[in-house]
Amino acid sequence: QLQLQESGPGLVKPSETLSLTCTVSGGSISSSSYYWGWIRQPPGKGLEWIGSIYYSGSTYYNPSLKSRVTISVDTSKNQFSLKLSSVTAADTAVYYCAREGGEWFGELFAAFDIWGQGTMVTVSS
Amino acid sequence: QSALTQPPSASGSPGQSVTISCTGTSSDVGGYNYVSWYQQHPGKAPKLMIYEVSKRPSGVPDRFSGSKSGNTASLTVSGLQAEDEADYYCSSYAGSNKDVVFGGGTKLTVL
Repeated sequence: QLQLQESGPGLVKPSETLSLTCTVSGGSISSSSYYWGWIRQPPGKGLEWIGSIYYSGSTYYNPSLKSRVTISVDTSKNQFSLKLSSVTAADTAVYYCAREGGEWFGELFAAFDIWGQGTMVTVSS
Repeated sequence: QSALTQPPSASGSPGQSVTISCTGTSSDVGGYNYVSWYQQHPGKAPKLMIYEVSKRPSGVPDRFSGSKSGNTASLTVSGLQAEDEADYYCSSYAGSNKDVVFGGGTKLTVL
């Protein structure tokens, strides 16, 4: 059974870079059928898609965050990672990693069917 | 891209049906049949309930159904049960670079 687990610091200082890793277990991140995405949720607010990556390294980012976001993949470790630079208090949120349908306009396209439990990241000095 | 519009709240009594709307534009909801719905209980990760407007993942009860008309998608929960009380979010493919946009969420209360 595929599982995703986020890890990383729970506290980041303003202007610094937030770094999180998602470890995939019970399946291969190199499957051609899926993308791997990051979604966040500020306290008491809704969900926001941050970006997604394919095992080959192809990435897609939310235009509103694109200038600050880098998503990378390490197939040898079955992990993908998120870096968000120049963070402010507005970046305080629960960050989720999730599996997304990978084939363009195929099954589960633009849908996230398996999620990690989420990790809370607070931006504060 | 702007967030999709959902009503902040909805409610119904056990056994009744409730419909939650999700309004976008011709650039997202109206332009593609890639609308998804997620259920989120407090403190938990979202769970995919509907994808591609009306398809249900394995294990999701058929009490949950989805539809779309123009720029508005809808989630209907029939035969409401206490465990259906949760926040529900819609999302849509928004074209361009595989963009995904979410709605603001609807809190469903089972009276």
